[in-house]
Amino acid sequence: KNEVEQSPQNLTAQEGEFITINCSYSVGISALHWLQQHPGGGIVSLFMLSSGKKKHGRLIATINIQEKHSSLHITASHPRDSAVYICAVRPNDMRFGAGTRLTVKP
Amino acid sequence: DSGVTQTPKHLITATGQRVTLRCSPRSGDLSVYWYQQSLDQGLQFLIQYYNGEERAKGNILERFSAQQFPDLHSELNLSSLELGDSALYFCASSVGLAGTYNEQFFGPGTRLTVL
Repeated sequence: KNEVEQSPQNLTAQEGEFITINCSYSVGISALHWLQQHPGGGIVSLFMLSSGKKKHGRLIATINIQEKHSSLHITASHPRDSAVYICAVRPNDMRFGAGTRLTVKP
Repeated sequence: DSGVTQTPKHLITATGQRVTLRCSPRSGDLSVYWYQQSLDQGLQFLIQYYNGEERAKGNILERFSAQQFPDLHSELNLSSLELGDSALYFCASSVGLAGTYNEQFFGPGTRLTVL
């Protein structure tokens, strides 16, 4: 079993829908990252969390350390949100989930 | 634009060859990380340098090596290339050591194709 599991693998939504992507991990961590990778390949760091909740625009990330689980929410989704979202955890090095491919249709 | 630069953007070479990938971190960042993203393995951590010293090693093959220079730029050397080394190679930088909760900023990547 992978140390970092994401669900779903693929997600298709209509513009305006509320999106949730989940990440579960099995190792002790010092931080969890949510990354966004666009079709061109570039990676952008969206959030770094060690506890609680963070919000940036329409994006919200939460983490439950006890349950070893994090969620990334996108409110009022838009076609430009279409990308692969990757959860990564940091015990010492960085370990990555396989990613969730999100497609938002207009 | 993250402020991290990588060159070249694309590299096509043959099996058995050696290549060097270059990364310049954001101004002020002391840590540099190298990652490999292949179709079958996803993203994997290769190696981290902090202020010129190796700090952490991940799934880096013995055929691969890296270093960070006094001006903080880093190079990843890949030798005796195999078809399976074809991948996107990302560099990221952060202010300090991992474990001090520093956000990482990713470069645009180098796409290596081994024919």
